[in-house]
Amino acid sequence: AQSVTQLDSHVSVSEGTPVLLRCNYSSSYSPSLFWYVQHPNKGLQLLLKYTSAATLVKGINGFEAEFKKSETSFHLTKPSAHMSDAAEYFCVVSADTGGFKTIFGAGTRLFVKA
Amino acid sequence: NAGVTQTPKFQVLKTGQSMTLQCAQDMNHNSMYWYRQDPGMGLRLIYYSASEGTTDKGEVPNGYNVSRLNKREFSLRLESAAPSQTSVYFCASSDRRGGDGRNQPQHFGDGTRLSIL
Repeated sequence: AQSVTQLDSHVSVSEGTPVLLRCNYSSSYSPSLFWYVQHPNKGLQLLLKYTSAATLVKGINGFEAEFKKSETSFHLTKPSAHMSDAAEYFCVVSADTGGFKTIFGAGTRLFVKA
Repeated sequence: NAGVTQTPKFQVLKTGQSMTLQCAQDMNHNSMYWYRQDPGMGLRLIYYSASEGTTDKGEVPNGYNVSRLNKREFSLRLESAAPSQTSVYFCASSDRRGGDGRNQPQHFGDGTRLSIL
């Protein structure tokens, strides 16, 4: 069985300060993990993906995430927030098994204050 | 550089009406998906098509039907719309496995905003 939990429904930061969006997952199989961003009235855009090559994954727009198997976490970070980062972020887990199963977290809305 | 194209972008229906949402991708992906997005619930899979000629139910298939018309196109049909189907609908596509054997990320359209009165 798989599940994904985004621990914060809303996060608010000031421009120029670090961003941390938290994601915990569970999976019976070796998972692939993804973070997507959704801007208003748009579809989801891939930020980064973890596929076991390296535990620290770098994505677009300065975001990165660290896979921690012992903590079953895949938190998304960025050293310095920009106003354009304000959006909704989704953590996604996909099992690498013969069947198909992709689970989306409920989302975290990021607010960036000037 | 179209990616995944969904039509229409907006639609208002009356209860009981039917309509078809269209989706086309130009990335030569084998797999295509339909999701609905409701506030606070993330995305929920309605139907998917692992490859041309096959379709399977997802998490919330009731009230919907799909057709994989060819490799590029995957349509979603509401036969008798209900207010509970008011939502934003997203189509996505992907290659299932990459060269490393891992699941590949999905590519999304911009969505269809559907209101049912």
